[in-house]
Amino acid sequence: AQKVTQAQTEISVVEKEDVTLDCVYETRDTTYYLFWYKQPPSGELVFLIRRNSFDEQNEISGRYSWNFQKSTSSFNFTITASQVVDSAVYFCALSGPFSGGYNKLIFGAGTRLAVHP
Amino acid sequence: GAVVSQHPSRVICKSGTSVKIECRSLDFQATTMFWYRQFPKQSLMLMATSNEGSKATYEQGVEKDKFLINHASLTLSTLTVTSAHPEDSSFYICSARVTSGGAGYNEQFFGPGTRLTVL
Repeated sequence: AQKVTQAQTEISVVEKEDVTLDCVYETRDTTYYLFWYKQPPSGELVFLIRRNSFDEQNEISGRYSWNFQKSTSSFNFTITASQVVDSAVYFCALSGPFSGGYNKLIFGAGTRLAVHP
Repeated sequence: GAVVSQHPSRVICKSGTSVKIECRSLDFQATTMFWYRQFPKQSLMLMATSNEGSKATYEQGVEKDKFLINHASLTLSTLTVTSAHPEDSSFYICSARVTSGGAGYNEQFFGPGTRLTVL
């Protein structure tokens, strides 16, 4: 079965602190995709990144970075020098060739990040 | 980038009434659209996969007679919550998948969501 675990329910930091959001996934497929989405209070999902299972290179985009490690089935997300605007719920998600195709997104429970001034 | 709209953004209705939510892909064609439900402070759960011109595929535990899905065109899918009750109050989000002939992952774009409150 496929599963995404985000063990951190809520994280609270002070502005300018670095923060890492953990994501652990389970799948038996060798080809799969991992995602991070941001959901601000407005509710609209904001796509942050997609990574396929064959690309373990870490990625950096501005203050955001992602660490993909197949050996530990983890796809962690770090925000450097956090800002108040980073306050949101962050979801990690998994998609694979299950259920007949790369359609289904399985979401983790989400981590609520609060950045205080 | 690809844009998906939902209408209405918010709806309040009385118990027992039906509510229709529209999901439109504005600048691309989507043979496949998805409907998710999100309860407060919870994750998104896929309710059903909607394919243009055919019946929707519902996830286990989702009542197909209660949540009617119609995907009549390549840019529009509708979700009708029939005989709504307070427990149906939730945030409903659709996504549309870019039509592609490839076998791999096809991009999904999410709508802004519809908040349904049933009194």
